Amino acid sequence: QVQLRESGPGLVKPSETLSLTCSVSGASMRDYYWSWIRQVPGKGLEWIAYKHNNGDTKYNSALQSRVTMSLDMSNSQFSLKLRTVTAADTAIYFCVRQPADTASFDYWGRGTLVIVSS
Amino acid sequence: DVLMTQSPLSLSVTLGQPASISCRSSESLEHSHGNTYLNWFQQRPGQSPRRLIYKVSNRDSGVPDRFSGSGSGTNFTLKISKMEAEDVGVYYCMQGTHWPTFGPGTKVNIK
Repeated sequence: QVQLRESGPGLVKPSETLSLTCSVSGASMRDYYWSWIRQVPGKGLEWIAYKHNNGDTKYNSALQSRVTMSLDMSNSQFSLKLRTVTAADTAIYFCVRQPADTASFDYWGRGTLVIVSS
Repeated sequence: DVLMTQSPLSLSVTLGQPASISCRSSESLEHSHGNTYLNWFQQRPGQSPRRLIYKVSNRDSGVPDRFSGSGSGTNFTLKISKMEAEDVGVYYCMQGTHWPTFGPGTKVNIK
């Protein structure tokens, strides 16, 4: 069974960098896209970024100046860095697997709430 | 970015009765190689989203057959043939043909 688990600080100060890691178990990371999606509590879903081990990487145009995503295939992890955060970045962050053949999201982590506040 | 809209945004359904959610995209979701990457997700209260349908009409493993998807181009529909209590939640359409975007969600509850 594929499992994804997000980890990282639950509280980040404004103007600092939000850093999250997703640990993948039950499946190889090879040959899949891996994504980050966020959700302001009680609101809708926003895709942030995806990355493939072949190097293909895309960022949401609204966030691309502040986002970096990386894969660590040897440790079955991938990460997200979101720079210069504001209160608007307060959200639940999900890590997700994205099979290329469906251009969709089939396995999701439980999500981790990140609050941006001083 | 492709804008996804859904209607209605809220839906109350009697147990055992059908329900239908409409999803429209601002651009055609038919990819140049022929596939249409329109997906439906269910998010139950307090849970992560769960994919129900991919590529318009393909049900994921374990999804009850009372859920069905249809449509083409820019107009799509999710149908629940007979509402059950466990179907309460928010339903999102999402397109993967272009950079991924989600609809605003339709909140489904029991009448």
